Amino acid sequence: AQSVTQLGSHVSVSEGALVLLRCNYSSSVPPYLFWYVQYPNQGLQLLLKYTSAATLVKGINGFEAEFKKSETSFHLTKPSAHMSDAAEYFCAVSAPNTGFQKLVFGTGTRLLVSP
Amino acid sequence: NAGVTQTPKFQVLKTGQSMTLQCAQDMNHNSMYWYRQDPGMGLRLIYYSASEGTTDKGEVPNGYNVSRLNKREFSLRLESAAPSQTSVYFCAGSWSSTDTQYFGPGTRLTVL
Repeated sequence: AQSVTQLGSHVSVSEGALVLLRCNYSSSVPPYLFWYVQYPNQGLQLLLKYTSAATLVKGINGFEAEFKKSETSFHLTKPSAHMSDAAEYFCAVSAPNTGFQKLVFGTGTRLLVSP
Repeated sequence: NAGVTQTPKFQVLKTGQSMTLQCAQDMNHNSMYWYRQDPGMGLRLIYYSASEGTTDKGEVPNGYNVSRLNKREFSLRLESAAPSQTSVYFCAGSWSSTDTQYFGPGTRLTVL
């Protein structure tokens, strides 16, 4: 079975600072991994996804994530935070090539950006 | 394209009342999903439909039923609402089970 752990329910950064949101996964097979973002009162939208190609994945709005098998991690980073990045971020995992697979989401990390 | 749409946006029910949440997509998705989102718990899958004509239980199906009316529409029904079903409900669709899921804007449901 797959699972995801997101460390820190809230992360606070200053505008212009590095953003680091942590995600560790558990999977019995090589996983697909996703980061979604949810802005207030909206649905989730995809930031980026890892599907076993390049381990460093670039997404929208300057975000990127690196798949590290040895650490079972898929942390999300952005070099310089903007006020508009304030939102909730969800990591999710699925197990491809094993029949119909459901995404398993983490509990989310709320990013707060201060001026 | 409208993407994934949900109606209504907000709903208040009394305990024991029933209602149906509607979801429609115009993205030709094969698979559709219903999630609930509660504070501190992320998204939990209620039901899903891998393809038109099939539905299956997710993580938290008790108290809900679903209908995949056709390829475009996937509805969620609460037969007898309970306060524990107060939540934000999201519908999503994808072309395959391992593909990106596209989410609707959500329905905020309060059960008194």
